[in-house]
Amino acid sequence: DVKVTQSSRYLVKRTGEKVFLECVQDMDHENMFWYRQDPGLGLRLIYFSYDVKMKEKGDIPEGYSVSREKKERFSLILESASTNQTSMYLCASRSGGAGNQPQHFGDGTRLSIL
Amino acid sequence: GIQVEQSPPDLILQEGANSTLRCNFSDSVNNLQWFHQNPWGQLINLFYIPSGTKQNGRLSATTVATERYSLLYISSSQTTDSGVYFCAVDMNRDDKIIFGKGTRLHILP
Repeated sequence: DVKVTQSSRYLVKRTGEKVFLECVQDMDHENMFWYRQDPGLGLRLIYFSYDVKMKEKGDIPEGYSVSREKKERFSLILESASTNQTSMYLCASRSGGAGNQPQHFGDGTRLSIL
Repeated sequence: GIQVEQSPPDLILQEGANSTLRCNFSDSVNNLQWFHQNPWGQLINLFYIPSGTKQNGRLSATTVATERYSLLYISSSQTTDSGVYFCAVDMNRDDKIIFGKGTRLHILP
């Protein structure tokens, strides 16, 4: 089974802090994704990556950056956290190439910015 | 961009009842996936179903790609079926996946 591991289930940080959310997958997947989930808005794509050192903006990239130095790890960075970034963050991965494959999700990180 | 609409937005049923959840999409898609998000926030894969019908126990799904919709059937509902059900589609043109806003299902004991 595919395993997608997010470093924290719950995280509390203060406004202005630099916050790192880590995601690791163990299936050698090319594609990795970061979403945030908010009540009434569903899942919204922040960034995705289809290869090491490659990244693409999703629908709501403002206030975030990402890093993919190794294939198995995709990090989401909040450069200067703000209260409107309080949310549930979900990481996903899937195999790339022709014929696209299912997405697999981590357990999520509930981030609170005080 | 593509629109993914799920209905109904909320559903409350008695244990043992059957239900049908619908996902409409506005453009051709490469694939479609159904997820269940449990009360702890975990997203679980249910089906990966670009077309046709699949069954897994009490759950089944049908996608009619030419008519741009998919249906998720839950039979003999149990309280553990409660949560939010999402459909997500991926496009032919790039690697982005678009989610619907989900159907919140609450099964009463």
